[in-house]
Amino acid sequence: DIQMTQSPSTLSASLGDSVTITCRASQSFGDWLAWYQQVPGKAPKLLIYKASSLESGVPSRFSGSGSGTEFTLAITSLQPDDFATYYCQQYRVYPITFGQGTRLEIK
Amino acid sequence: EVQLVESGGGLVQPGGSLRLSCAASGFTFSDHYMDWVRQAPGKGLEWVGRIRNKVNSYTTEYAASVKGRFTISRDDSKNSLYLQMNSLNSEDTAVYFCANTGGSESYYNPWWGQGTLVTVSS
Repeated sequence: DIQMTQSPSTLSASLGDSVTITCRASQSFGDWLAWYQQVPGKAPKLLIYKASSLESGVPSRFSGSGSGTEFTLAITSLQPDDFATYYCQQYRVYPITFGQGTRLEIK
Repeated sequence: EVQLVESGGGLVQPGGSLRLSCAASGFTFSDHYMDWVRQAPGKGLEWVGRIRNKVNSYTTEYAASVKGRFTISRDDSKNSLYLQMNSLNSEDTAVYFCANTGGSESYYNPWWGQGTLVTVSS
């Protein structure tokens, strides 16, 4: 199985800040990587697919990059709705696997 | 508008069975592969399994943790997805989400249902 490791596990930031979340894979799988945002009690929401493609309707403050084994999600100018948990997902190889999540909290 | 609505969750005793359903609308259900993903209380997301479309013979993939106990099926005439769960144990306690994918391999999950809670406890 491909293990996905996110860092940090928790991130504290203020409104208007910019942050970066990293996702590292135990083996290479190209750029078949997605990022999701989840608010407590809600379903995950797709933000980024194919490592860097922005899902329709997602603000351009979100961006993704990377390929192979290292990927990043960047969020600029943090807004109140951005404080949530973020997950990466590789969808190239079965079993599909997620990172453990990064909780973005307000400082 | 895409909608995925899960149902069938509840309290079940260890060793018991439960069948979850997911009603889909707003897209051509029969074209799409479909996934189940679960989330234990306070934990992260865990992919459970996938069913392909008719073109790909409705074949399935499962996580090792559920293989042999869970079965994914679908009824394209009813735009519905199912998850039959047998031999349940406490580690299966989770919110179960259905999610659509594309109509081919290597596809992410654009749309998710709101989830249904399964609690395995005596």
